[in-house]
Amino acid sequence: NAGVMQNPRHLVRRRGQEARLRCSPMKGHSHVYWYRQLPEEGLKFMVYLQKENIIDESGMPKERFSAEFPKEGPSILRIQQVVRGDSAAYFCASSRDRAREQYFGPGTRLTVT
Amino acid sequence: SQQGEEDPQALSIQEGENATMNCSYKTSINNLQWYRQNSGRGLVHLILIRSNEREKHSGRLRVTLDTSKKSSSLLITASRAADTASYFCATDGTGGSYIPTFGRGTSLIVHP
Repeated sequence: NAGVMQNPRHLVRRRGQEARLRCSPMKGHSHVYWYRQLPEEGLKFMVYLQKENIIDESGMPKERFSAEFPKEGPSILRIQQVVRGDSAAYFCASSRDRAREQYFGPGTRLTVT
Repeated sequence: SQQGEEDPQALSIQEGENATMNCSYKTSINNLQWYRQNSGRGLVHLILIRSNEREKHSGRLRVTLDTSKKSSSLLITASRAADTASYFCATDGTGGSYIPTFGRGTSLIVHP
């Protein structure tokens, strides 16, 4: 049973470009969470999704950031017109139910030049 | 502000010694979880302790929870060099959202 998969592992974008980060949850998990981690910091919650629904996006910036979790395929975190401050590690986690422990992917390290 | 805050920020010990990390939080919780993160990697779930539990064990790990003091501790006994990592506590959100809020972590270095 494969764990949570994220791709790409590393992504370099120039300012103004778009970044697309993908997350495939563990088999049987329908809850997906996205977090951002800056160096030497803890994880900051961004968005919580269930299949086709955004449940909680309170941690996600209102502009340039969007997330989806379609019926088929991975969850996508999309950052438009990236800026240097978007450089961070973005982690995805999945869980079987809302109240269960989360399993994390290896992360995508985004560098904006 | 952070719900969970780990203490100390960094801890350096010799292999074989015990390592204790603490986590304090501000508001009432349903669950508290401890995670480990190796450098450049994702988080690995270690233990979940519920608010009605006081102590939990898993191998060399022992977690305690004191809801009256709003604190938890993670004890790693007989540490190994492979335990070198950052350790985070995460408390679930209020209102039943179950969104864990992470602290900044404790960086543990175990010298062989």
